[in-house]
Amino acid sequence: GAGVSQSPRYKVAKRGQDVALRCDPISGHVSLFWYQQALGQGPEFLTYFQNEAQLDKSGLPSDRFFAERPEGSVSTLKIQRTQQEDSAVYLCASSFIGSYEAFFGQGTRLTVV
Amino acid sequence: ELKVEQNPLFLSMQEGKNYTIYCNYSTTSDRLYWYRQDPGKSLESLFVLLSNGAVKQEGRLMASLDTKARLSTLHITAAVHDLSATYFCADPGAGKSTFGDGTTLTVKP
Repeated sequence: GAGVSQSPRYKVAKRGQDVALRCDPISGHVSLFWYQQALGQGPEFLTYFQNEAQLDKSGLPSDRFFAERPEGSVSTLKIQRTQQEDSAVYLCASSFIGSYEAFFGQGTRLTVV
Repeated sequence: ELKVEQNPLFLSMQEGKNYTIYCNYSTTSDRLYWYRQDPGKSLESLFVLLSNGAVKQEGRLMASLDTKARLSTLHITAAVHDLSATYFCADPGAGKSTFGDGTTLTVKP
């Protein structure tokens, strides 16, 4: 596709519900990143994939957060037993390997009620 | 701990005026990014600064990098309303970026 595509754009979850957020990177981009952006703040790193390998998951805030990229293209960020503090915009970005320029998707705004 | 600090966090300026946004970072990185974010939208890459002394310009925006001072600046010349947005700087790190909290710019007629 022309850019990084994320779905859904908006998600409202009841506290305790599990959610799955999808990211379709730009075709051919080896690197894929997930960030969490709270209201009024800059994005914070969650996790990084190179192809299907998850090379860094140091930013995942708890074991309720899980990300995968099984075939090295589409990635899913799963949040189990959502809490109110999980409410944020979740951004996905992709880039060519070795490139410092990452392209961001439009994000998924998650609201936990 | 990696830190990226921007100032000011909020900037209201009149059209036609000049101003500079500052970005201080804590690592020895020799690269720095600038992004623009409009409300409800994603991040758009503005500048990728790849070495000490790098200067890049696009329209009314000019970014520079001083790696010795660990400082990058984003200079706005003769601001126009269309520049109203939030601007982020980011230290690219190795495989992940550390972002500042952003500078929200409002340009008034």
